[in-house]
Amino acid sequence: EIVMTQSPATLSVSPGERATLSCRASQSVGNNLAWYQHKPGQAPRLLFFAASTGAPGVPARFSGSGSGTEFTLTISSLQSEDSAVYYCHQYNVWPQVTFGGGTKVEIK
Amino acid sequence: EVQLVESGGGLVQPGGSLRLSCEASGFTFRSYDMYWVRQETGKGLEWVAAIGTTGDSHHPDSVKGRFTVSRDDGRESLYLLMNSLRAGDTAVYYCARSKYDFVSGYRYLDLWGRGTLVTVSS
Repeated sequence: EIVMTQSPATLSVSPGERATLSCRASQSVGNNLAWYQHKPGQAPRLLFFAASTGAPGVPARFSGSGSGTEFTLTISSLQSEDSAVYYCHQYNVWPQVTFGGGTKVEIK
Repeated sequence: EVQLVESGGGLVQPGGSLRLSCEASGFTFRSYDMYWVRQETGKGLEWVAAIGTTGDSHHPDSVKGRFTVSRDDGRESLYLLMNSLRAGDTAVYYCARSKYDFVSGYRYLDLWGRGTLVTVSS
């Protein structure tokens, strides 16, 4: 099983500042990685697939990068509505998908 | 509206059974592989079932032999039958759609429901 590790567990950022979230895979997943935003009581929302391809409607302040075992989700200028838990998800081996433990982004 | 809506969660005793449902709308359900993914409180996400468009089903070892996924394309619905439930199965269960990326040839989860809570307790 491919283990996904996200860091940090919690990130506290002031509005307008940059937030950088990391995701590491225990073995290469190519660029078969997705990012989700999850707010309490809501369905997880797809932000990126193929590591850096944005889903429809994702604000331009969000960007995804990386390949192999190291991936990054960046929020260039944090807004209050970005408070959520963010998960990475590798889908390199169907159907044995795995997820990171999540990074909780808080507004300072 | 394109959406997935789960139902069927609730309180069940250890050793009991429960059947979850997921109703799809707004897209051609029969054209997509589908997943069930669960999340224990305060923990990460774990896939517990996947089913292809032809009905081929898969489960991880943690639930194999106890959980069974099925689909009814006519009703545009996905199901998860859970038997021999344990306290460790307590979680929010999400239904998710698997979308094929024609560029890479891989499939990722692009649409999720809000989930349904299953609590296994005496």
